[in-house]
Parts: sequence; C-alpha cells; structure tokens
Amino acid sequence: SQQGEEDPQALSIQEGENATMNCSYKTSINNLQWYRQNSGRGLVHLILIRSNEREKHSGRLRVTLDTSKKSSSLLITASRAADTASYFCATENSGYALNFGKGTSLLVTP
Amino acid sequence: DGGITQSPKYLFRKEGQNVTLSCEQNLNHDAMYWYRQDPGQGLRLIYYSQIVNDFQKGDIAEGYSVSREKKESFPLTVTSAQKNPTAFYLCASSISGSSYNSPLHFGNGTRLTVT
Repeated sequence: SQQGEEDPQALSIQEGENATMNCSYKTSINNLQWYRQNSGRGLVHLILIRSNEREKHSGRLRVTLDTSKKSSSLLITASRAADTASYFCATENSGYALNFGKGTSLLVTP
Repeated sequence: DGGITQSPKYLFRKEGQNVTLSCEQNLNHDAMYWYRQDPGQGLRLIYYSQIVNDFQKGDIAEGYSVSREKKESFPLTVTSAQKNPTAFYLCASSISGSSYNSPLHFGNGTRLTVT
C-alpha cells in the first residue's frame, strides 16, 4: 500500500536555486527514506532518517522529519542540472518492505 | 562491482504468453523485492523474499509468481492472468528482511510491453 505522498508533483527551478520537496504519510513509521530515480533507470538511495531523528544531512541534501505532523522534507541546496530526476519518499512501519509515494519530478534548468 | 542485474532491459510479448524477468544480485543480500512502476502510480510491491525458499505476496501479487531457490536470484513470472502487464518492473535487494537499517538497492529495471 502506498503511504507516502510527495508534494509538489512537479518542480522546475534554475541551477543554483534550492529545491524543497515534501512527503506526508499516514501511520507511524520506523524510518523514512528518500530515493532518486533518473529517467528509465532504477532508484538510488539518498538518505534514511529514523523516527527518533529530526534532521539529517548528506552533502547538499538536508532531510527533516516531523513525526507529530507525519511529514518529511527533502532540501537540495545549490541545485545542478544533474539533479534533474524524480524523488521518492518511502516509509517502513512494521513490515518488511518499503511503501513508496508517487514521487516529485524535479527539473533543473541551466 | 557489486550490484543488481535485471535482464532484459526491454521485453515484448504477445497477450496470453507467460514471461519471466530475471533478477540477479551479487551483494550477498538476504532480502529481495519486485516492484511495478506505472506512470503517475509510483512503485507498488508485487512480491518479496526475506530468505531463500521463502517469499510473500505484496500488494499486487495477482497474476505474478516468483521463486527463490538461490540467494542471488529472484525471477518474476508475469502470467497470462495478469490483466495489465505492460509496465516498468524493478527488482531490489536489502541486507536483511527488515528495512529498519538497510536501504534498498535497485536494478535498472525491465520495461515489459504486452500487445
């Protein structure tokens, strides 16, 4: 079942700008993960944040998690054309498989 | 380099034919998964396997079958009972059956077209 829901569905920015994507989910989770998918390719894991963490950084990526609001955000700073891709959040609750949202399509223009 | 290999990249079949998608991993991961991706639908779980010789149905298992005879291999068969088989199929693996601390590693997918 799909639990995560990304917002916006599509985002278009220029190189150098920051990109923010949001994810909302419905039930309690153990962790939340963000993935990137380039067109026609498999997904690549970006970052995992556990339910007891509030913020996590990895290079130009910053992820926040607010369990009281059941939401997470992914911030990409100083975007590059190579960041053009779809971004998915995925949640894990008590099962053994991740539930993915429908993704945010990010376009970064030079 | 370790990774997941899905083959073929593109597959074309006639309606009514069964087709098997290959997924091989050399990451020594215990768990493997099959997802289906349709435009605007995100990823939906078909089957997953936490260990050799064991697998469980996901959200959309009807019309699909799998086997897990070896740790490295998790083939997916799309049967003629699957009503809308045309889709992008993604195989993934993780170190253990719980994704609490183990992200998924994905193959590059097989795009199946059934006419």
